[in-house]
Amino acid sequence: DAKTTQPPSMDCAEGRAANLPCNHSTISGNEYVYWYRQIHSQGPQYIIHGLKNNETNEMASLIITEDRKSSTLILPHATLRDTAVYYCIVRVEFGNTPLVFGKGTRLSVIA
Amino acid sequence: DTGVSQDPRHKITKRGQNVTFRCDPISEHNRLYWYRQTLGQGPEFLTYFQNEAQLEKSRLLSDRFSAERPKGSFSTLEIQRTEQGDSAMYLCASSRATGIGEQYFGPGTRLTVT
Repeated sequence: DAKTTQPPSMDCAEGRAANLPCNHSTISGNEYVYWYRQIHSQGPQYIIHGLKNNETNEMASLIITEDRKSSTLILPHATLRDTAVYYCIVRVEFGNTPLVFGKGTRLSVIA
Repeated sequence: DTGVSQDPRHKITKRGQNVTFRCDPISEHNRLYWYRQTLGQGPEFLTYFQNEAQLEKSRLLSDRFSAERPKGSFSTLEIQRTEQGDSAMYLCASSRATGIGEQYFGPGTRLTVT
């Protein structure tokens, strides 16, 4: 079963920041937080991952709380093409274990 | 584009028939995964390979399902005696055995069993 809890849906105005929360209160010390997204009719796409420090790449930023029990994915300037289901997953980084998806958050970016 | 490819993209079959799907991973990736996704749910893991060895199978993978990766390159997923409950999107992903474990997904094969 998924070890994360996410809101089922969120809306965001185009051009504004989208902040997607995730709770993972049972995360273990060696588990990372991964984010994937799935645009309609496509396979999931990796976005970012982190352990305890904040991470940023060209797609998004990941903020992990100090106790590591929750995190927030930030899309700084959402566009219509960011409309997708976003999945937060916890797993060991180098185990290459299968991904355990929950239901994710359906983000709708509105013009 | 040298991403993960899957064939066919869509398959409609009658209950009781056998179907086979193919996945071609990214060429330098030695890990290959199969997932199944039903409407409104996240993908669920079915099985994965490292090279030609099948390392893990989910309890979701009933006896009617079989997967192979004979030469450590492409993989096939066969479903025998299909049932209506098998209707789903079947996703394939690949990754390196080392590194951050980022998995690259194909576009999926949508199966409809009538």
